[in-house]
Amino acid sequence: DADVTQTPRNRITKTGKRIMLECSQTKGHDRMYWYRQDPGLGLQLIYYSFDVKDINKGEISDGYSVSRQAQAKFSLSLESAIPNQTALYFCATSGLRASGGYTFGSGTRLTVV
Amino acid sequence: AQSVTQLDSQVPVFEEAPVELRCNYSSSVSVYLFWYVQYPNQGLQLLLKYLSGSTLVKGINGFEAEFNKSQTSFHLRKPSVHISDTAEYFCAVSDNAGGTSYGKLTFGQGTILTVHP
Repeated sequence: DADVTQTPRNRITKTGKRIMLECSQTKGHDRMYWYRQDPGLGLQLIYYSFDVKDINKGEISDGYSVSRQAQAKFSLSLESAIPNQTALYFCATSGLRASGGYTFGSGTRLTVV
Repeated sequence: AQSVTQLDSQVPVFEEAPVELRCNYSSSVSVYLFWYVQYPNQGLQLLLKYLSGSTLVKGINGFEAEFNKSQTSFHLRKPSVHISDTAEYFCAVSDNAGGTSYGKLTFGQGTILTVHP
């Protein structure tokens, strides 16, 4: 099994629908992150959580919300999806040491029509 | 605050040729530096990282990178590329000085390496 698992892998949804992307990890890491990838823009941080009770907004949090249900689970929600939220979404985890870098999931490709 | 600039958005190269992917960063504090690779339809994988010590670091698949503090650069190189190296490559910097941003990665915009036969 993968260290960081994202579900679903692909999703097509309609404008205005609520959608949840899920992330679970077996690394035992405290820190979890949600990124959005658009061509030519690299990875933009949406939300991050340093532990279960700590949630922080990233660069582009508008239109998104998150829930940290447990140390191992971190979900991203789009309350009312819009077409410009069409993107590749990645979950990542890290330990307490900055030297460790991140472990990434395989991504969720979301299309809003 | 930190920032990362990858100087080339796309790099086409022929198989067995050398390649260099350029990365510059800016930071007011001490940093760690990373290169990640993203193969088609996959997540990002760690290629190599610089933490301290020797400025030349070696990674997986024959890649290496050199940290240059005076030029604030961390360029990625490979002496002879293969078709299988076709992927997108991301440079990233991590604050290692403590504080609220400790450990968070800031990514560059990515460089798409295309290796032609």
